[in-house]
Amino acid sequence: LAKTTQPISMDSYEGQEVNITCSHNNIATNDYITWYQQFPSQGPRFIIQGYKTKVTNEVASLFIPADRKSSTLSLPRVSLSDTAVYYCLVGPFYNTDKLIFGTGTRLQVFP
Amino acid sequence: DTGVSQDPRHKITKRGQNVTFRCDPISEHNRLYWYRQTLGQGPEFLTYFQNEAQLEKSRLLSDRFSAERPKGSFSTLEIQRTEQGDSAMYLCASSLDVGDTSYEQYFGPGTRLTVT
Repeated sequence: LAKTTQPISMDSYEGQEVNITCSHNNIATNDYITWYQQFPSQGPRFIIQGYKTKVTNEVASLFIPADRKSSTLSLPRVSLSDTAVYYCLVGPFYNTDKLIFGTGTRLQVFP
Repeated sequence: DTGVSQDPRHKITKRGQNVTFRCDPISEHNRLYWYRQTLGQGPEFLTYFQNEAQLEKSRLLSDRFSAERPKGSFSTLEIQRTEQGDSAMYLCASSLDVGDTSYEQYFGPGTRLTVT
């Protein structure tokens, strides 16, 4: 599975938009990009998945440029409850055999 | 459905003891996964089942580790002769995989193991 690189940590304030970028230079043609969120003492939770261009759901948006070598998770108007670790994963659709997580981005939202 | 459940949530044991964890997946899910997570790291894949068949095992799963999923329902992960390096959060996940259609993995809350 393709290796991903993302910032170790980010800080934000309530109400701001947060963009977390993930690099995946070796992404394969059949790979999808998936983001998971993890709160302390909980298991990861699926946020969003995309293949190209833009995907939006009730939680976040995912922007993927044409070359697909990077992607950006966008969280609109964050709140304190969005403080968590966000993982970018690259692999086959929904990665149904196994997920390979990196160290993730620790987002801290301040009041 | 209440999601994936794991028992116990916390376990403290002395080095050398055996421990067993249980995972109950979402009822209709045919795939079940085990991961291990240490502090500051992302989860690491250990093994997964399709129904009762164990399809893949990571090299992280030493001979002291064994996982089962009898009857394709709940699963157990046993660690024999625990070592301090086994201290971690053990996460279980499940998903539905039907033919050409696959769905996301849902994680349980994890079992935190502390080996003293």
